[in-house]
Amino acid sequence: SFVLTQPPSVSVAPGQTARITCGGINIGRKSVHWYQQRPGQAPVLVLYHDTGRPSGIPERLSGFNFGNTATLTISRVEAGDEADYYCQVWDSSGHLVVFGGGTKLTVL
Amino acid sequence: QVRLQESGPGLVRPSETLSLTCTVSGGSIDGYYWSWIRQPSGKGLDWIGYVSYSGRTDYNPSLKSRLTISVDISKNQFSLKLTSVTAADTAVYYCARQYGGDPTTSSNWFDPWGQGTLVTVSS
Repeated sequence: SFVLTQPPSVSVAPGQTARITCGGINIGRKSVHWYQQRPGQAPVLVLYHDTGRPSGIPERLSGFNFGNTATLTISRVEAGDEADYYCQVWDSSGHLVVFGGGTKLTVL
Repeated sequence: QVRLQESGPGLVRPSETLSLTCTVSGGSIDGYYWSWIRQPSGKGLDWIGYVSYSGRTDYNPSLKSRLTISVDISKNQFSLKLTSVTAADTAVYYCARQYGGDPTTSSNWFDPWGQGTLVTVSS
């Protein structure tokens, strides 16, 4: 089945830019969706179809997907962005939803 | 605004059946696909399976032999039954609505999610 690889952790200072990657073979050919999960809370969709932002998600969050890597970029990082972030693809051929292992974003 | 709420026993004995229900409020279950997703403590997300408003299902191959997901449109609910549970099935279980069209041909994503319910498998 399709495997998504995320770095376990990313650290960034407030006001800086965080980039969270999601690697997979030819992931650029798939749609990637991203979720934010704050401690003790349920995941929340932050990006869909690589770049789409649901209502209420700030423009500081953006996405890019090409080749073997999809990237979630968070600009002007705030303390409230500290959370786990998961990428997800839909592997219809394998009847499977695949999540990345998650990346813990720490705001220094 | 659609809200989802999971309910069911928090403790299940090994080898028994785990049963959970997701109640949808603020919107209709009709016309959508609905999923169950779980998360062991301190670990990542694991998709369990989905059911459509018409009862069509698809399951994670690793759970398929033990799993049944069903829908009750009249109650605006869908349910999960997982048989022969072991400690490895201990997790927070989430229900979620799927978006993106027919999942056999289109990429789907999950929004919104329920708050989750912890199920512990222990004697």
